[in-house]
Amino acid sequence: AQTVTQSQPEMSVQEAETVTLSCTYDTSESDYYLFWYKQPPSRQMILVIRQEAYKQQNATENRFSVNFQKAAKSFSLKISDSQLGDAAMYFCAYRSWNNNDMRFGAGTRLTVKP
Amino acid sequence: EAQVTQNPRYLITVTGKKLTVTCSQNMNHEYMSWYRQDPGLGLRQIYYSMNVEVTDKGDVPEGYKVSRKEKRNFPLILESPSPNQTSLYFCASSFVSGPYNEQFFGPGTRLTVL
Repeated sequence: AQTVTQSQPEMSVQEAETVTLSCTYDTSESDYYLFWYKQPPSRQMILVIRQEAYKQQNATENRFSVNFQKAAKSFSLKISDSQLGDAAMYFCAYRSWNNNDMRFGAGTRLTVKP
Repeated sequence: EAQVTQNPRYLITVTGKKLTVTCSQNMNHEYMSWYRQDPGLGLRQIYYSMNVEVTDKGDVPEGYKVSRKEKRNFPLILESPSPNQTSLYFCASSFVSGPYNEQFFGPGTRLTVL
C-alpha cells in the first residue's frame, strides 16, 4: 500500500523568509496525483497546490511551489515570503490514479515568527 | 456556494449510543469519502464511495458504517461508539476522473465518546 511520510513534525520560519516542507511517498504506480493541504486553526482543509505525476514541470501557485522528484518519490513544498497567515498544519497527500486510494502524511506544523 | 456540509460540528456521546454524522455536497461529485484525523497520524480514510450504491472500505473501517443512497449524501454511522472513536472526522468529495479531482472537505466534526 502507498505510504506518505512527512519527517518534520514542526517547522518555524521568520516572516518574509522562505521555508521548505518535506514529503516522501512510496508507490508502485506510475501515474498518480500529489497534493499539499493547509489546515489552519479553524480546522478547515484547504488545498494549497497539486501535481500530476505525469507532468514533469513543477506546480506553482503564487508564493507556493513544489519540487517534484518522481524518481526519488519526493514532493516538497516551498513557501516564499512567508506570512503570518501561513501558520498552519500542512499535510502532504497522495491520490491513486484510479482515485480509490487517498493517503495523507502525519502533517507538519508551521509556525511563522513576526 | 459550492460546499461540503457536515452535521453536527461537535458531538459528545456515551459508549454504545448509536449516532450518525451527516455529510452533503452540492457539487455533483461522484466520489465521497470519510476520514478521521488523530494527532501524529494525519488523516486516515474510513470509507469511500465512487458513486451511488457503491461503497468500499478504507484503511480504518472497523466500527463504522456508511451508505450512499443519493449522490449528494454520504452519512457516517457509528452503531456502538467506543472511546477509541473519539476523533476529528472529515467528509470530502470530488469528481472521479479528470485533472480537477482534488477533494473538497467539510468543516469537520469533533466527536467525543465517553
